[in-house]
Amino acid sequence: GAGVSQSPSNKVTEKGKDVELRCDPISGHTALYWYRQSLGQGLEFLIYFQGNSAPDKSGLPSDRFSAERTGGSVSTLTIQRTQQEDSAVYLCASSLRLGPNEQFFGPGTRLTVL
Amino acid sequence: GNSVTQMEGPVTLSEEAFLTINCTYTATGYPSLFWYVQYPGEGLQLLLKATKADDKGSNKGFEATYRKETTSFHLEKGSVQVSDSAVYFCALNLIQGAQKLVFGQGTRLTINP
Repeated sequence: GAGVSQSPSNKVTEKGKDVELRCDPISGHTALYWYRQSLGQGLEFLIYFQGNSAPDKSGLPSDRFSAERTGGSVSTLTIQRTQQEDSAVYLCASSLRLGPNEQFFGPGTRLTVL
Repeated sequence: GNSVTQMEGPVTLSEEAFLTINCTYTATGYPSLFWYVQYPGEGLQLLLKATKADDKGSNKGFEATYRKETTSFHLEKGSVQVSDSAVYFCALNLIQGAQKLVFGQGTRLTINP
């Protein structure tokens, strides 16, 4: 079956612009996660969803970052007023349910802020 | 807090060499432990996992044993191949509390023919 998909695969934007990153999880997976992979910081957790709710937003780096999930499926990560330090690969993962289960990762969106 | 420390890379070996990548963890709860692999140009994928002490995860010739007494989950393979060249990430996930993977910094492995 289809895996986790993300779009766009690459995004180049100018500092100060807003961007939206999309994640389509594996069908039937109730848990969805966003991570960020950057050279200086490695792999960092951003936020997770159980269904449409996000119980833990502690990983979001600033209030410029927000995320939502609708219909228990697609999720959007929005970064407002992008800064150069936001440049990274943004990874989405999904799992059948919360807990110590395998998380299936998408290919990522590479964001470059000029 | 919860953290994972991996052996620093990069690691370069010859084909058929023995591989060990060290991983130790600190956790406030009782974690499950994972090794993820990222092949060149591909996304992260699960290599193996262990959910309780003394469990051994294995896949594709790789093994790792959950050692609670040493808080370790070292990755081993007896005879590496060129196709094993990738970045390897050790990670933990707590059964209770924050539902997230905490990753080590990654170890880049290159296998020469």
